[in-house]
Amino acid sequence: DTGVSQNPRHKITKRGQNVTFRCDPISEHNRLYWYRQTLGQGPEFLTYFQNEAQLEKSRLLSDRFSAERPKGSFSTLEIQRTEQGDSAMYLCASSLAAGSHEQYFGPGTRLTVT
Amino acid sequence: DAKTTQPPSMDCAEGRAANLPCNHSTISGNEYVYWYRQIHSQGPQYIIHGLKNNETNEMASLIITEDRKSSTLILPHATLRDTAVYYCIVRAQMDSNYQLIWGAGTKLIIKP
Repeated sequence: DTGVSQNPRHKITKRGQNVTFRCDPISEHNRLYWYRQTLGQGPEFLTYFQNEAQLEKSRLLSDRFSAERPKGSFSTLEIQRTEQGDSAMYLCASSLAAGSHEQYFGPGTRLTVT
Repeated sequence: DAKTTQPPSMDCAEGRAANLPCNHSTISGNEYVYWYRQIHSQGPQYIIHGLKNNETNEMASLIITEDRKSSTLILPHATLRDTAVYYCIVRAQMDSNYQLIWGAGTKLIIKP
């Protein structure tokens, strides 16, 4: 399968714990995006990378959230000191760098904070 | 905020054409119209995009009005597998960060 993959698919954690999600984009894609989606809503943009550079961060991305893409390939999204409001689906997407109209999405990681 | 308005839900009979409307009355000249869909428990999937002209691909057709203030996504022969939430998004291709701003979409239910 050469699509975007995300791990884990589901994560249940207790409030206050740290969690880390991984996204593996399509191999030749330079751009990588993170979105968050809550029930009944469309995805909300969190951040995006071009290669290893993080070029944009939404104001939704509080100090407890950090994302990395160290070698311009896979990316991780870490949430520290999780809160119940962090419960959501976290989606990763990738696209080609230049002139691409299409973002390819992974299946998402569903986070439940208890 | 999303720049588009869509009905929250629609039904369509299997085998018939599904026509999903979208209003984008504040669209700028350099903004494209994109359609994505999200089947339950999956990530969104790109369907089609257009700027001014009508577009067709293997999945759907996109009809954009001459004033570009609205558009319609057409699934010509809907199947049960087309049941999903359909999102209409407008975005300038040359936006600095290429982020997509999503609304709540239209939940399309295909009935047998």
